[in-house]
This record gives sequence, structure tokens and C-alpha cells, in this order.
Amino acid sequence: DTGVSQDPRHKITKRGQNVTFRCDPISEHNRLYWYRQTLGQGPEFLTYFQNEAQLEKSRLLSDRFSAERPKGSFSTLEIQRTEQGDSAMYLCASSFWTQETQYFGPGTRLLVL
Amino acid sequence: AQKITQTQPGMFVQEKEAVTLDCTYDTSDPSYGLFWYKQPSSGEMIFLIYQGSYDQQNATEGRYSLNFQKARKSANLVISASQLGDSAMYFCAMRESSGGSNYKLTFGKGTLLTVNP
Repeated sequence: DTGVSQDPRHKITKRGQNVTFRCDPISEHNRLYWYRQTLGQGPEFLTYFQNEAQLEKSRLLSDRFSAERPKGSFSTLEIQRTEQGDSAMYLCASSFWTQETQYFGPGTRLLVL
Repeated sequence: AQKITQTQPGMFVQEKEAVTLDCTYDTSDPSYGLFWYKQPSSGEMIFLIYQGSYDQQNATEGRYSLNFQKARKSANLVISASQLGDSAMYFCAMRESSGGSNYKLTFGKGTLLTVNP
């Protein structure tokens, strides 16, 4: 499978716990994006990497959120001290820098109890 | 103001018929891109079709076509010969060029399409 992969697919956690999600982009895609999708809404942009550099963070990304892409390949998104409002689908996408289309992974569904 | 507006929360279509899903957008950028994605209940966003603002012809991809009316700022998706597997949420999205953020997508709220046998 050469598509974008995300792990885990589902995560249930208690409020106050830390969680970490992983995204593996399509091979050779140097751009990587994180989006968040809440129930009944379209995805909202969180952050963007070009290679290992994080070039933009949305205001939606509070101080409890941190994303990394240490070697310009896979990326991790960590949420510290989770809150019930963090419950959402977290989607990762990737693209090649000369191309318009972003290809999405299957997402990680987070439920904070 | 909403950047992407999808006015149809839900649509029904009979199998084998064509259906149009509406999308209007708001931007002052001369260069932008418009996308349609399909999201089945499994959650994955599947890319369907792309239209650039400078493209002279409407984009087509198999059974999908994009009815691009620049002056009206609309980018409707037309699905021909609907199939049961087309039942899903459909999202319209836009990529703008302003402020250096020429990569992030802004999505509408989606339209839930149900194909009836």
C-alpha cells in the first residue's frame, strides 16, 4: 500500500492524558499536513511541514499541541493534557511540492472521556 | 464570511441517474484551486477532482465533472450514472494563494449523498 497511513486508527483516552499520533506520508511527498475534523464539519487546517520544517501553525493548534517531522518523512502529532473538546478525527495529508492535490490518510479518531 | 459554502446538507439520487452537488466560494485571489473530496463512513478523504482558477476547460475525471463558473464563483460537482458506492459525504475545498499560505485547504461543511437502488 503506497498511500498515506496513520496510526492508531482509533484512540480512547481519559481527560488529562497525553496522546501521540503518527502519520506516514506517500513516499517522496515532501509536504505534510495535519487537519482536524469534528462531527458535522469539514476538516480544518492545523499545521504544515515542508520536509522537516514546520512552516505554519493554525491558531487552532493550542500550546498543548505539538507536531514534528524530524527527518522529513513521518510526522507525529502530540496532544498533552487532553480535553473533551479534543475529541475529533485527526487527518494527515501529503503532497509533492509541484502538485496541487493533497492525499489524505484514513485518519485517527480520538475520543476523550 | 464562509469561504466555501455547500448549501445542500443532504441529497438523494436514484441509481444510474446524474446528480449535481453545489459549491460556492469566496476569494479575492486571482490564483486559486478548487477540489472535491469524497468521505465514506470509514473516514478517509478520497480526492476526486481538481480545477485551477486559470483552467479554461471544466475538469473531468471519469464519472466526475466540475461545472466551474468563475463569474458566479461556483464549482459544482456532477456525478453521472450514480452507483450505490457513491453514497458518502462530499466536501468542496479551496486552496488560496494569499499571505504565503498557498497550500492549506479550506473545506465546506459537506453534502451527504445517498444513492437509492
